Amino acid sequence: QQPVQSPQAVILREGEDAVINCSSSKALYSVHWYRQKHGEAPVFLMILLKGGEQKGHDKISASFNEKKQQSSLYLTASQLSYSGTYFCGTERGSQGNLIFGKGTKLSVKP
Amino acid sequence: GAVVSQHPSRVICKSGTSVKIECRSLDFQATTMFWYRQFPKKSLMLMATSNEGSKATYEQGVEKDKFLINHASLTLSTLTVTSAHPEDSSFYICSARDPNGREKLFFGSGTQLSVL
Repeated sequence: QQPVQSPQAVILREGEDAVINCSSSKALYSVHWYRQKHGEAPVFLMILLKGGEQKGHDKISASFNEKKQQSSLYLTASQLSYSGTYFCGTERGSQGNLIFGKGTKLSVKP
Repeated sequence: GAVVSQHPSRVICKSGTSVKIECRSLDFQATTMFWYRQFPKKSLMLMATSNEGSKATYEQGVEKDKFLINHASLTLSTLTVTSAHPEDSSFYICSARDPNGREKLFFGSGTQLSVL
């Protein structure tokens, strides 16, 4: 089942903050976050496994709610390099294949 | 970190021909690899799970006779688009799991297929 991402797109000025949400109707084993720039492969940002977990590096962080049905990605003091499409992915089955949301296109303007 | 190499990065072919895309894990063994397809400005759609030494597992709606997957060794999976048609034009990306645990996926650089 494909996770639901919101918003579909967001435009920011440098230095502004953004939140991207990812939700599922069922509890998830984990949630993965990736960023993809145009014409390139997705790049791993982070994975959350535990309900209530919060994780982050630099100015990009994420949370996973207690019920493990919703995750949010937080981008603070955005930089031009943050531009791209952000995907959340959820695991299906034991082989670890990921099902991705439809993505959120983030555009950071000077 | 682990590296997944995908080749070619771009291919243009005539309708009716077959195209093979290679995905290699360069510094680790991958018993399982995943093939995704992505249309412009769209999400990554899982096509199939490639299993070393056994048949691939295809997602619902993906034609296994159209998209042939072979995973003959622990470091190589191939996707062959047979009798390609313009509607097969897309960005194809392979990936493999982090060999150190069920963590992140490492993605290849992708192959842009254009069928004329």
